[in-house]
Amino acid sequence: GAGVSQSPSNKVTEKGKDVELRCDPISGHTALYWYRQSLGQGLEFLIYFQGNSAPDKSGLPSDRFSAERTGGSVSTLTIQRTQQEDSAVYLCASSLGLAYSYEQYFGPGTRLTVT
Amino acid sequence: GQQLNQSPQSMFIQEGEDVSMNCTSSSIFNTWLWYKQDPGEGPVLLIALYKAGELTSNGRLTAQFGITRKDSFLNISASIPSDVGIYFCAGPPARGSRLTFGEGTQLTVNP
Repeated sequence: GAGVSQSPSNKVTEKGKDVELRCDPISGHTALYWYRQSLGQGLEFLIYFQGNSAPDKSGLPSDRFSAERTGGSVSTLTIQRTQQEDSAVYLCASSLGLAYSYEQYFGPGTRLTVT
Repeated sequence: GQQLNQSPQSMFIQEGEDVSMNCTSSSIFNTWLWYKQDPGEGPVLLIALYKAGELTSNGRLTAQFGITRKDSFLNISASIPSDVGIYFCAGPPARGSRLTFGEGTQLTVNP
């Protein structure tokens, strides 16, 4: 079946502009995660959605970052007033939910470049 | 927060060599996962371990859940150029919590 998809695959934006990144999880997966990965670095957790529960926003680096998950499926990560340090690959992952499985499945990522 | 320590940070090996890397935690984990990330791609799940002492293989890859439940090992036999990438370990630091990821081991295989 279809895996996790993300769009766009690449995004170049000017400093100060807002950007929206989209994630389509695997059908039936109730949990959705966003991570950030700077060049050559590990995965930095940003935010986690589980079903209808309040999201875990503990990893969001500033109030310029926000995320929504509509209808328990598609998620959008929004970065307002982008800064050069926001340049990174943004990865989305989904899973069946912690009650069932810890296994997360990742999308290909969106490479964001802020000029 | 909980840290997973992966070692080595990077490895440079010749094609055909065997590779071993590990991941340690200061606390007990009940699950260990190993992922591989190819350049420009998202991480892909390689092996999942759910029981202390468990040894699981996936082709040339073998992973073990350490008996102390505080470590895990990944071995790659007879490496080939397509093994190049970053290998991440991951696990939930507490039952029902989300995954914590290690910092990764960067593997380079010279033909």
